[in-house]
Amino acid sequence: KNEVEQSPQNLTAQEGEFITINCSYSVGISALHWLQQHPGGGIVSLFMLSSGKKKHGRLIATINIQEKHSSLHITASHPRDSAVYICAVVQGGSEKLVFGKGTKLTVNP
Amino acid sequence: DTAVSQTPKYLVTQMGNDKSIKCEQNLGHDTMYWYKQDSKKFLKIMFSYNNKELIINETVPNRFSPKSPDKAHLNLHINSLELGDSAVYFCASSQQQVAYEQYFGPGTRLTVT
Repeated sequence: KNEVEQSPQNLTAQEGEFITINCSYSVGISALHWLQQHPGGGIVSLFMLSSGKKKHGRLIATINIQEKHSSLHITASHPRDSAVYICAVVQGGSEKLVFGKGTKLTVNP
Repeated sequence: DTAVSQTPKYLVTQMGNDKSIKCEQNLGHDTMYWYKQDSKKFLKIMFSYNNKELIINETVPNRFSPKSPDKAHLNLHINSLELGDSAVYFCASSQQQVAYEQYFGPGTRLTVT
């Protein structure tokens, strides 16, 4: 079992829908990253958080350290949001990033 | 100006050859990384350097050798290439160590035939 589990693996939505992608982890962490990988392959950092909630435009990321769970929300989804979203955790006591397997999001017009 | 650049973007080579991938960042970051993304798109860290010093060396065959001539560059040299080395290799950097925002290069797609 991977130390970082994401759900769902694949998600198809209609434009305008509210999207939630979940990330659960089994190890102690010092921080969590949400990354976006475009269809062309490039990877962009969306958020880095260690507690609470962060918002950037239509994207919101939350983390619950006690429950070892994070969510990435996209409001008013758009076809350009179609990408793979990857959760990665910084294992406590190490400098190692451990990645989830990603959630492939497709937003249809 | 590209923040993290990698060369080449594509690399096709035969088994047994030795090849290098270069990475440069112009962000003034102290820490650089190499990640491997396999055919199932799963990312895994290979190496991490902080100020030219090796910090993380994951379970990677010793055919892979990173070299950091200065803190803006982290190159990856691979000896005796094998079919299983085919993957996309991403370089990244962060201001300090891994709990900081990561900036990724565009990736190098390595195909070993």
